[in-house]
Amino acid sequence: DQQVKQNSPSLSVQEGRISILNCDYTNSMFDYFLWYKKYPAEGPTFLISISSIKDKNEDGRFTVFLNKSAKHLSLHIVPSQPGDSAVYFCAASATGGQNFVFGPGTRLSVLP
Amino acid sequence: KAGVTQTPRYLIKTRGQQVTLSCSPISGHRSVSWYQQTPGQGLQFLFEYFSETQRNKGNFPGRFSGRQFSNSRSEMNVSTLELGDSALYLCASSFPQGALNTEAFFGQGTRLTVV
Repeated sequence: DQQVKQNSPSLSVQEGRISILNCDYTNSMFDYFLWYKKYPAEGPTFLISISSIKDKNEDGRFTVFLNKSAKHLSLHIVPSQPGDSAVYFCAASATGGQNFVFGPGTRLSVLP
Repeated sequence: KAGVTQTPRYLIKTRGQQVTLSCSPISGHRSVSWYQQTPGQGLQFLFEYFSETQRNKGNFPGRFSGRQFSNSRSEMNVSTLELGDSALYLCASSFPQGALNTEAFFGQGTRLTVV
């Protein structure tokens, strides 16, 4: 029973365009959400997070949107760059917990 | 500031053996969590240690155990290794601030292969 879902295993985007990665969750106790990027044979790299008291958080080219009623969040990358090609994981936790639940990941390929 | 350091990077063990993995968190971070990543199950939470105490535990058998030392360094032990324990083991550190949420920073992982 997956509590965090990323229904698109892969996504291809042209360089300079927008990449939109989606994530759905089922546990209404989750109140903190994070996105990580991962290259092969490396640990995940933290990108951006959002608390459930917000519906949007921006950091440079990365923006995360949260729709609590739909239990859905998305990561927007604008503009996409070839170096963004990696696997992106969505993760969630409940108040103060460091036991994050991860989605299965979406492999993003940014084509030059 | 140095990142999360995990040793060793690679390990090959035989079924039935035991293994100990080590993690040094970012300086000042007091929480250390361990995750297992496999192709079939993705990233799964093993346990979290804070101030030398296990604070959260995932759904793994008792063969998986850990501990944290007074300097926040952590070790993870797997006994009676099985082929299915082959995975990338990741350690993450964070600086929890009471009930406030905070991100975790991961090390590069230890790739364990059980033969």
